[in-house]
Amino acid sequence: AQSVTQLDSQVPVFEEAPVELRCNYSSSVSVYLFWYVQYPNQGLQLLLKYLSGSTLVKGINGFEAEFNKSQTSFHLRKPSVHISDTAEYFCAVSKRVTGGGNKLTFGTGTQLKVEL
Amino acid sequence: DADVTQTPRNRITKTGKRIMLECSQTKGHDRMYWYRQDPGLGLRLIYYSFDVKDINKGEISDGYSVSRQAQAKFSLSLESAIPNQTALYFCATSDLGGQITGELFFGEGSRLTVL
Repeated sequence: AQSVTQLDSQVPVFEEAPVELRCNYSSSVSVYLFWYVQYPNQGLQLLLKYLSGSTLVKGINGFEAEFNKSQTSFHLRKPSVHISDTAEYFCAVSKRVTGGGNKLTFGTGTQLKVEL
Repeated sequence: DADVTQTPRNRITKTGKRIMLECSQTKGHDRMYWYRQDPGLGLRLIYYSFDVKDINKGEISDGYSVSRQAQAKFSLSLESAIPNQTALYFCATSDLGGQITGELFFGEGSRLTVL
C-alpha cells in the first residue's frame, strides 16, 4: 500500500497567488513528516518537517504545512508564491520499521509551476 | 564546494557496460544512501549504509551493488547496465538523528542514460 500520496502531479499558479500542495499518508503508527523541494538541476533540500508538538510548522521561503492526524494529511501552503518557487515538491514520511530504525518513503512529487 | 558531491553528473552508456557512480561527503555523517528518481515515481531507495561495515538493501536493489570505501565515500555500481536503469540517481547522507527523523542531505544528482 502506498504510504504517501501526492494526488497532484502538476500545479500551475500565477505569481502572488496562494498555493496548496496536498499530501496524504497512510499509517497506524506515529510518523514524522517532511516536505522536500527540488529546484531544477539540483538535489533535494529540506523545506520543513513535523516531528511533534505544534501541528502548524513553518519552513524556509515562507512555506508552512499543517499536520492533521484525523485526516492523515500534511498539506503544504504558501500565501503568495514567487517565480523562484517553481520546483518539484516531495512529501515524505518516516516511520519505524520492524527490526528497528526508521524508513523514509517519498511521495511521487508535485511540480509547481509559477507563471507571470 | 558542495557538502555531498556526486560524480559523474551526466553519463551516457550502452547496454551491458559496467558503470560506477561515486559519492563523497564532507558533512561527517555516518549514514549514506543511494536513491533513484524516475518521473512520476518519486524517489526509491536502492541501498543504504549506516557505517563502513554496514550495507543494506533498499526497495529496488536488484541490478545494483554498492561499496562503502570510507566513511565519506559510497559508490553505486551497475554491473551490466540495461535501458530501464536510465534515471536520475541521488546520493544522500544523514547523521543518527537524521536517520531517525528523516532529514537527509542530498547531492546534486547523477543523470544516467543507458542506450
